[in-house]
Amino acid sequence: EPEVTQTPSHQVTQMGQEVILRCVPISNHLYFYWYRQILGQKVEFLVSFYNNEISEKSEIFDDQFSVERPDGSNFTLKIRSTKLEDSAMYFCASQERSGDGYTFGSGTRLTVV
Amino acid sequence: SQQGEEDPQALSIQEGENATMNCSYKTSINNLQWYRQNSGRGLVHLILIRSNEREKHSGRLRVTLDTSKKSSSLLITASRAADTASYFCATDAWGAQKLVFGQGTRLTINP
Repeated sequence: EPEVTQTPSHQVTQMGQEVILRCVPISNHLYFYWYRQILGQKVEFLVSFYNNEISEKSEIFDDQFSVERPDGSNFTLKIRSTKLEDSAMYFCASQERSGDGYTFGSGTRLTVV
Repeated sequence: SQQGEEDPQALSIQEGENATMNCSYKTSINNLQWYRQNSGRGLVHLILIRSNEREKHSGRLRVTLDTSKKSSSLLITASRAADTASYFCATDAWGAQKLVFGQGTRLTINP
């Protein structure tokens, strides 16, 4: 069964450093998403991406965040200057058509120290 | 906020029993989806029910949707130890390109 692949599985970074979280969505999917889950809390929407542009973003997705689809396969989330409160599990998801179910990756656990 | 409550927050039952989890939401939806998450792992899509559907089955899963009450339930029949996980409902609202998740129900199946 097709999978969404995320790398790395775990990243530790120092406060103020930039991180790039990488995702390879399912190849024929058109809609891409980033979500995060702070430990013990619910899954929160960050951003959706379609047709090479952001469709929707949450209040969490401020100027320190950016997304990119640099080629036909990768979808990245960049956090420019990490804060302690950015520590969370970050999930990438893709969707073939609007209104379908999502396929989530297994996540990247980001720890900011 | 688009999303309401899930209940119970935690549920512990014996293997073989049925488990029922409930979800309420606040806005008009296109569809409602249920996901499972094993501890520290990713989200696995279980089932999607559209706003014009009232009930859907997939294996041991049964999902109902009552749009007049803005609520859904997930029933897992003949539970197994491997069903131990957190279960989340998520709503896909009309015109919104995102899912909004509930707080989840932590289900424990005791052997």
